[in-house]
Amino acid sequence: QSALTQPASVSGSPGQSITISCTGTSSDVGGSNYVSWYQQHPGKAPKVMIYDVSNRPSGVSNRFSGSKSGNTASLTISGLQADDEADYYCSSDSRTNIRVFGGGTKLTVL
Amino acid sequence: EVQLLDSGGGLVQPGGSLRLSCAASGFTFSNYAMGWVRQAPGKGLEWVSTISGSDTYYADSVKGRFTISRDNSKNTLYLQMNSLRADDTAVYYCAKYVMRYFDYWGQGTLVTVSS
Repeated sequence: QSALTQPASVSGSPGQSITISCTGTSSDVGGSNYVSWYQQHPGKAPKVMIYDVSNRPSGVSNRFSGSKSGNTASLTISGLQADDEADYYCSSDSRTNIRVFGGGTKLTVL
Repeated sequence: EVQLLDSGGGLVQPGGSLRLSCAASGFTFSNYAMGWVRQAPGKGLEWVSTISGSDTYYADSVKGRFTISRDNSKNTLYLQMNSLRADDTAVYYCAKYVMRYFDYWGQGTLVTVSS
């Protein structure tokens, strides 16, 4: 159960767009329609931002979008805001009913 | 409003045991799968276990040492942790699991394994 690969950090200025990648294998990201993304502010519990690759839960801003190509999933945040600064984690199925998370990406809003 | 209240964390010696609890409210607990996710200090999230009906699933790192269970009459999820090791030190979150993702999370409870 190896962790999915994410960049350690990304940054952007307010109003810009950024993309966080999440690379796995054909046994997880590449073979799954169940990729999700979580936002975690310091000292807080994670919050789901994207599920099933590209779906947004009710209440999540449409500035957040998800996609997948091959073994790599991506989270794009457009119109960056100061409150978007947080850690972001991807997650996928890895074999049926086994889940794996990415190592996490720290987003800095400059 | 969905609420998950984690409890039971604390300091335990290596080789010891601890049982975590998660009290759920605001939804029909028995209808949903539940899980535990942990986060070591300064590290990322790690999936630990999921329970769906009577079926249970575990990460390789805890298989054989941890047991997930639930009491639907008490709307409570449990994680029995035995043979604890230093690398089990983490904040443990319970979470509601729906359609292959975690939609609600508890506030977390800290488990410290140290002599």
